Amino acid sequence: AQKVTQAQTEISVVEKEDVTLDCVYETRDTTYYLFWYKQPPSGELVFLIRRNSFDEQNEISGRYSWNFQKSTSSFNFTITASQVVDSAVYFCALISGGYQKVTFGTGTKLQVIP
Amino acid sequence: NAGVMQNPRHLVRRRGQEARLRCSPMKGHSHVYWYRQLPEEGLKFMVYLQKENIIDESGMPKERFSAEFPKEGPSILRIQQVVRGDSAAYFCASSPPSGENIQYFGAGTRLSVL
Repeated sequence: AQKVTQAQTEISVVEKEDVTLDCVYETRDTTYYLFWYKQPPSGELVFLIRRNSFDEQNEISGRYSWNFQKSTSSFNFTITASQVVDSAVYFCALISGGYQKVTFGTGTKLQVIP
Repeated sequence: NAGVMQNPRHLVRRRGQEARLRCSPMKGHSHVYWYRQLPEEGLKFMVYLQKENIIDESGMPKERFSAEFPKEGPSILRIQQVVRGDSAAYFCASSPPSGENIQYFGAGTRLSVL
């Protein structure tokens, strides 16, 4: 069975602070994919990144970076120099075992205060 | 290239009525997925369809819910005899036939049952 845990329910930071959103996953499969999605207040889901289980290289995209560590089954997401527009709910998600259904975490609500 | 289109964005129904939610996948995508997001929760998989076929409906409630993806036209999620507990946001996602494991989401339909 697949499971994604986002232990942080809500985080508040002041603008320009760095913030890390934690994600821990569980799967018995050796091939899997990890994702992060952003859900702004308007409600849509925006794809941010996909990582496959064979690629542990960390990734940076502008102010966003992701740290994938198989040893701890974690796929953490860091926003550097946060901005008010980063305020949203962020979901970590998993596809594994050849199945196509995405297993989502419960989300972390990030509030960036000006 | 338009994204995944869902309509309506908001739907209000009284208990006992039927709700029909529509989803047009991205151009070139032949795989459609439906997810439900209850208030303050993450998204839960409902059903995975390809054209004219239901591939995985393990997340669908056994009664009152059905989904289709006809050869022509959008995918439809139908909820018969709605109850208050059906109030949620329903998201549709699509992916291409190439096996790329990224699902692109629509903006969702928010169903309110009075």
